[in-house]
Amino acid sequence: AQKITQTQPGMFVQEKEAVTLDCTYDTSDQSYGLFWYKQPSSGEMIFLIYQGSYDEQNATEGRYSLNFQKARKSANLVISASQLGDSAMYFCAMKTGGFKTIFGAGTRLFVKA
Amino acid sequence: GAGVSQSPRYKVAKRGQDVALRCDPISGHVSLFWYQQALGQGPEFLTYFQNEAQLDKSGLPSDRFFAERPEGSVSTLKIQRTQQEDSAVYLCASSLYQREQETQYFGPGTRLLVL
Repeated sequence: AQKITQTQPGMFVQEKEAVTLDCTYDTSDQSYGLFWYKQPSSGEMIFLIYQGSYDEQNATEGRYSLNFQKARKSANLVISASQLGDSAMYFCAMKTGGFKTIFGAGTRLFVKA
Repeated sequence: GAGVSQSPRYKVAKRGQDVALRCDPISGHVSLFWYQQALGQGPEFLTYFQNEAQLDKSGLPSDRFFAERPEGSVSTLKIQRTQQEDSAVYLCASSLYQREQETQYFGPGTRLLVL
């Protein structure tokens, strides 16, 4: 069965510090894509970063990077230099050969001033 | 440019009522997805359209849920005889194509409360 697991319901980080949000996934497919989305209190899902299963390098997008460890089936999101505006829910998601995208339960990040 | 829009943003329905939720995807986007997000949970896939064709409706929870996209642009999710367990945020997303790495652009959602 395909599954995304986010084990951290909530995380706190000091402003300007880095934080890692954990994500593990389960799939028997060889080809898949992993995504991270941010959902502020307004409710809209905002795409952050993508990693393909065949990508050899970890994806980076500005302050976001994805620590992809294929053998461990983990795809952790690293946010560097946290800002107050980073406070939100963060969802890890996976897409395989079909049409579905599967989301984890999310991690709520609180950035402290 | 314009993003994905959804209407209404909020809907309160009495149990047993029918509701219709509208999604306007980004112009030119071939793929359209509907998700249901219960409180405190991640979105769950409901259905997928490629242009006007509904290619996957495996996530629709019951035959009370029906979706259409007749002209390959605007989509409507209809829930008949609403139940309290239908209370959730309904998210619509669109993407240009249907490739594995394709980014989905989400609308703000419709928050449905069934009393």
